[in-house]
Amino acid sequence: DVKVTQSSRYLVKRTGEKVFLECVQDMDHENMFWYRQDPGLGLRLIYFSYDVKMKEKGDIPEGYSVSREKKERFSLILESASTNQTSMYLCASSLNLAGAEQFFGPGTRLTVL
Amino acid sequence: ELKVEQNPLFLSMQEGKNYTIYCNYSTTSDRLYWYRQDPGKSLESLFVLLSNGAVKQEGRLMASLDTKARLSTLHITAAVHDLSATYFCAVDIQGAQKLVFGQGTRLTINP
Repeated sequence: DVKVTQSSRYLVKRTGEKVFLECVQDMDHENMFWYRQDPGLGLRLIYFSYDVKMKEKGDIPEGYSVSREKKERFSLILESASTNQTSMYLCASSLNLAGAEQFFGPGTRLTVL
Repeated sequence: ELKVEQNPLFLSMQEGKNYTIYCNYSTTSDRLYWYRQDPGKSLESLFVLLSNGAVKQEGRLMASLDTKARLSTLHITAAVHDLSATYFCAVDIQGAQKLVFGQGTRLTINP
């Protein structure tokens, strides 16, 4: 079974803090994704990576950056957290195939005060 | 730009009834996924529909895909309380390695 884990289930940070969200997958998937989920807006893609050190912006990359130094690990970074980044963050991974099924981690609920 | 719309967004129904959730998308795509999300949890894959006319069934849920109409349906038969969840459809962008998700349908099944 594909397993995608995220470093924290719940996180509370203050405005202006630098925040790291970590995601690890154990199925040797090439692709990894970061989404945020907000009520009524569905899932919106922040960034994705199709290979180590490769990244591509999604629909809402502003205020975020990512790092992929190893194939199994994909980090989302909030350089200076703001209250409008309070959200549920979901990580996913997939094989390197067009339209491949994505497998999701448990999510991190981030609150920025 | 690919847009994916689900209908309805909220659905409250009684146990034992049948109902259908619709997923429309705006541009050509050959693959569609249905996911389930329980409150406070992540997304769990339900169905993978890979071609026109594909039909998948598991228990009381059945999903179908009509790529010509750009429409997928998720049909619930004789609903039970355990099916209460939010259901998302997701469509792949042809040639890309990304999925575009619908807004989700929050389904509540009352005894």
